[in-house]
Amino acid sequence: ELKVEQNPLFLSMQEGKNYTIYCNYSTTSDRLYWYRQDPGKSLESLFVLLSNGAVKQEGRLMASLDTKARLSTLHITAAVHDLSATYFCAVDIGGGADGLTFGKGTHLIIQP
Amino acid sequence: GAVVSQHPSWVICKSGTSVKIECRSLDFQATTMFWYRQFPKQSLMLMATSNEGSKATYEQGVEKDKFLINHASLTLSTLTVTSAHPEDSSFYICSASPGNSYEQYFGPGTRLTVT
Repeated sequence: ELKVEQNPLFLSMQEGKNYTIYCNYSTTSDRLYWYRQDPGKSLESLFVLLSNGAVKQEGRLMASLDTKARLSTLHITAAVHDLSATYFCAVDIGGGADGLTFGKGTHLIIQP
Repeated sequence: GAVVSQHPSWVICKSGTSVKIECRSLDFQATTMFWYRQFPKQSLMLMATSNEGSKATYEQGVEKDKFLINHASLTLSTLTVTSAHPEDSSFYICSASPGNSYEQYFGPGTRLTVT
């Protein structure tokens, strides 16, 4: 059974600080997804990481994937309040499009 | 592009009644659609995988007779919650994937409240 673990599950940080969210998964996979969810809303796709060593950046967010360690990170640089949300990582182990297994999510609060 | 819609966005129903939720891919053909459920303050759990023209594949622990899925066309999948009970109250989110693609596009979700 595929397990996806995120940590921390809750993070409160100040604006301007840097932090990293970690996502470990238990089964070999070459596809790792990061999503953002605002309260009462559906998911917003942030990144899709498709290969070992993949690194993607968008604004203050940067995601990386190490398939050998089965680890992905989402790094937040100089956090701003607008980044407050819940962040999920998810893994797809299928050969084609497959249902995703999600981590429990990281509830991020960024305080002024 | 790649827009997925759901209808309704929210619904309140009485215990024992059935509710149908639609998931549509608006600008692409979705070979596969997925249904997820999210309880308050929890993560998303995959309920079933729906392929056009064939029976849905349900995840372990999901009652196929209670959650009826129909994927009659390449742009529409429906989830019917039969004989709904308060414990079925949840946020139901669909996603759709074009053929031979790793991308999944999520719908806006349907909030179901069973009284």
